[in-house]
Amino acid sequence: DVKVTQSSRYLVKRTGEKVFLECVQDMDHENMFWYRQDPGLGLRLIYFSYDVKMKEKGDIPEGYSVSREKKERFSLILESASTNQTSMYLCASSLNLRGNGEQFFGPGTRLTVL
Amino acid sequence: KNEVEQSPQNLTAQEGEFITINCSYSVGISALHWLQQHPGGGIVSLFMLSSGKKKHGRLIATINIQEKHSSLHITASHPRDSAVYICAVIPNTGNQFYFGTGTSLTVIP
Repeated sequence: DVKVTQSSRYLVKRTGEKVFLECVQDMDHENMFWYRQDPGLGLRLIYFSYDVKMKEKGDIPEGYSVSREKKERFSLILESASTNQTSMYLCASSLNLRGNGEQFFGPGTRLTVL
Repeated sequence: KNEVEQSPQNLTAQEGEFITINCSYSVGISALHWLQQHPGGGIVSLFMLSSGKKKHGRLIATINIQEKHSSLHITASHPRDSAVYICAVIPNTGNQFYFGTGTSLTVIP
């Protein structure tokens, strides 16, 4: 079974702090994604990566950066956390973007910024 | 912009009822996913469809590519089916998925 793990289930940070969210997948997937999920807005793509050291902006990249130094690991970085970044953050991976493009999701990190 | 629209947003049903959740999309797609998210839990994939119909236990998913529409049906609903159901499409062009905002289903015993 594909397993996608995220470093924390719950995280509380203060405004202005630098925040790292880590995601690891164990199925050698090329593609990895970071989403945030907010009530009434659904899942919104922040960044995705289709290869090591490659990244593309999603719909809402402002205030975020990402790092993919190894194939299995995709990190989301909040350089200076703000209260409007309080949200559920979900990581996903997939083998292909087309055809068998099923995405496998991690359990999510609920981030609260005070 | 909302490439994927789901209806209804919220649904409450009695145990045993037949449930339908609808998904309409506006872009050409290579496949459509139905996902399930339990409260506080991660998201799991239920179906991936590119045509026709798929069945898994009490769940049935259909897609009409010409009408750009898909439905998820739950037969003999049960309280453990209570979850948010999300429709997502893989477009023919571009590299990202488009997600609906989800349908929150509550099944009452």
